[in-house]
Amino acid sequence: GEDVEQSLFLSVREGDSSVINCTYTDSSSTYLYWYKQEPGAGLQLLTYIFSNMDMKQDQRLTVLLNKKDKHLSLRIADTQTGDSAIYFCAEKVLRGNTPLVFGKGTRLSVIA
Amino acid sequence: DTEVTQTPKHLVMGMTNKKSLKCEQHMGHRAMYWYKQKAKKPPELMFVYSYEKLSINESVPSRFSPECPNSSLLNLHLHALQPEDSALYLCASSQDSQASSYEQYFGPGTRLTVT
Repeated sequence: GEDVEQSLFLSVREGDSSVINCTYTDSSSTYLYWYKQEPGAGLQLLTYIFSNMDMKQDQRLTVLLNKKDKHLSLRIADTQTGDSAIYFCAEKVLRGNTPLVFGKGTRLSVIA
Repeated sequence: DTEVTQTPKHLVMGMTNKKSLKCEQHMGHRAMYWYKQKAKKPPELMFVYSYEKLSINESVPSRFSPECPNSSLLNLHLHALQPEDSALYLCASSQDSQASSYEQYFGPGTRLTVT
């Protein structure tokens, strides 16, 4: 079955870039997602990438996918205090009616 | 508009109570989901409705009973819950449960406390 792993914590200074990493196990055709969750709130879909792509950029967010190593990263440029949250990586394998599989989440702390 | 709404925002209930959580979306999505999230954990899938039919039930205890009255609404009926059921309950929707572009949008959640 699918398994998604993330490091649990990341601390960066305001204005620096943040890089949050994720590894996944299924090599099938898949969509990979990044969600942001602020305290007491639901999950906000930030961006996603299909497994036949290498990179996707959306304003301050850059997603890089290394299919050989099954490694996904989310880079946040010019990190702000409002970016402090938990970031979840999630995988959806395009095979049957499989559910979305989440990683454990990375808590990003931004120091002013 | 990518909004999923949930009511109530907070709910405190005793173990003998019956209550319901409600979820609504007006994006024309045909798949809706209930997740349970404990503190500092990722969401755990409970149920999936696809075209108003229950398509996935992840072995959830019968004290949780989902209902999908129409394509825009999803309810979760609660009865005889246990304190360990206290959690954030998240509703989500997507265009289709098997569509190639599988963007799943989440509501803000209902914080449930069982006393």
